[in-house]
Amino acid sequence: KQEVTQIPAALSVPEGENLVLNCSFTDSAIYNLQWFRQDPGKGLTSLLLIQSSQREQTSGRLNASLDKSSGRSTLYIAASQPGDSATYLCALNQAGTALIFGKGTTLSVSS
Amino acid sequence: EAQVTQNPRYLITVTGKKLTVTCSQNMNHEYMSWYRQDPGLGLRQIYYSMNVEVTDKGDVPEGYKVSRKEKRNFPLILESPSPNQTSLYFCASSLTIGRAPYGYTFGSGTRLTVV
Repeated sequence: KQEVTQIPAALSVPEGENLVLNCSFTDSAIYNLQWFRQDPGKGLTSLLLIQSSQREQTSGRLNASLDKSSGRSTLYIAASQPGDSATYLCALNQAGTALIFGKGTTLSVSS
Repeated sequence: EAQVTQNPRYLITVTGKKLTVTCSQNMNHEYMSWYRQDPGLGLRQIYYSMNVEVTDKGDVPEGYKVSRKEKRNFPLILESPSPNQTSLYFCASSLTIGRAPYGYTFGSGTRLTVV
């Protein structure tokens, strides 16, 4: 059974710092991987989607990479801002009928 | 604007009183699903639908029903809610490529409290 782990569970950084969030998974047979952002008590906002054949995707200050062979994905956030404070969730589309989510990394960026 | 709309956003109800949470999407997506989010347990799938009149159970379907009579709507029905169904619920929709969902869009969530 696929297991998705996100480390660290929580992260606090000062504004302006570059940071990396990690996502690891146990089964490399995936269709794609999606990173989401969730603000407290709110819905999920899709940030980036990486297909299984891709190595990375970029959107603005965000860059997500995928290494299926090692079962890892990273979300890189450049020049972090207080508005980036949220929980970041990694989700795998494996069997084609359900996303399998990690528990998330809660990021706090202080000004 | 492309979106998934859930209603209501907040709901407090009593044990055993039937309720329906509505979900509608305007993206002509074939695939729709329901998730619940609980502290420490993360997001878990309740039911999903690959197309009109096609639904199937997810990981935690007990106590829930769904229907998919129209492509855009996918209501979640709790026939006899119990306190352990107190949770944050999300509806999601997705394109399909082949038969696989591709790129999910989530609604804003429904916070349900059953007393």
